[in-house]
Amino acid sequence: DTEVTQTPKHLVMGMTNKKSLKCEQHMGHRAMYWYKQKAKKPPELMFVYSYEKLSINESVPSRFSPECPNSSLLNLHLHALQPEDSALYLCASSQDRSSGRETQYFGPGTRLLVL
Amino acid sequence: TQLLEQSPQFLSIQEGENLTVYCNSSSVFSSLQWYRQEPGEGPVLLVTVVTGGEVKKLKRLTFQFGDARKDSSLHITAAQPGDTGLYLCAGRISGGYNKLIFGAGTRLAVHP
Repeated sequence: DTEVTQTPKHLVMGMTNKKSLKCEQHMGHRAMYWYKQKAKKPPELMFVYSYEKLSINESVPSRFSPECPNSSLLNLHLHALQPEDSALYLCASSQDRSSGRETQYFGPGTRLLVL
Repeated sequence: TQLLEQSPQFLSIQEGENLTVYCNSSSVFSSLQWYRQEPGEGPVLLVTVVTGGEVKKLKRLTFQFGDARKDSSLHITAAQPGDTGLYLCAGRISGGYNKLIFGAGTRLAVHP
């Protein structure tokens, strides 16, 4: 089983709303990732969690707040977003053996529209 | 800046034709992954290559990792309309601490 699940699949929110994106995997992976993907562009890394600790933050604005409650779950809390934050948000996971060879498996994404 | 240059960006071909997509870099990768992505969906893993000179086959798809682990190619034989999609290569830099470098993607359209 190489499945990463994400909810919701679609989300429309206003600029004053607070919402959360959720990601789950049951592959025993200890590294989890959030990516943002704009139309016709490759995914851009936002955050990396390794063993439930934030290990990489790619200078993401504070209106995006990640959380890793346990080794299977990853959340992305959204607050006061801008219309330009509209994108496909992808979650991924991988083993974290620091050998550099671990494959990342992606979820289906959440398509976010900020009005 | 660590870059992974992917070419071509767009490819429009007829069913039955062959094609090759290339990913090149000046950096050495500890591994390289190829993904296929449909619009509005997440990338789906096709293959991971880790050894220099490695060749992997997945039905009509052949993946090659360069001897120096700086480049890779994807060759599709007798393309089908179902092969249509965005193909992404993504490499992990040696010592790159869980960070993938993505190519810009190749948008393939196969016409019946």
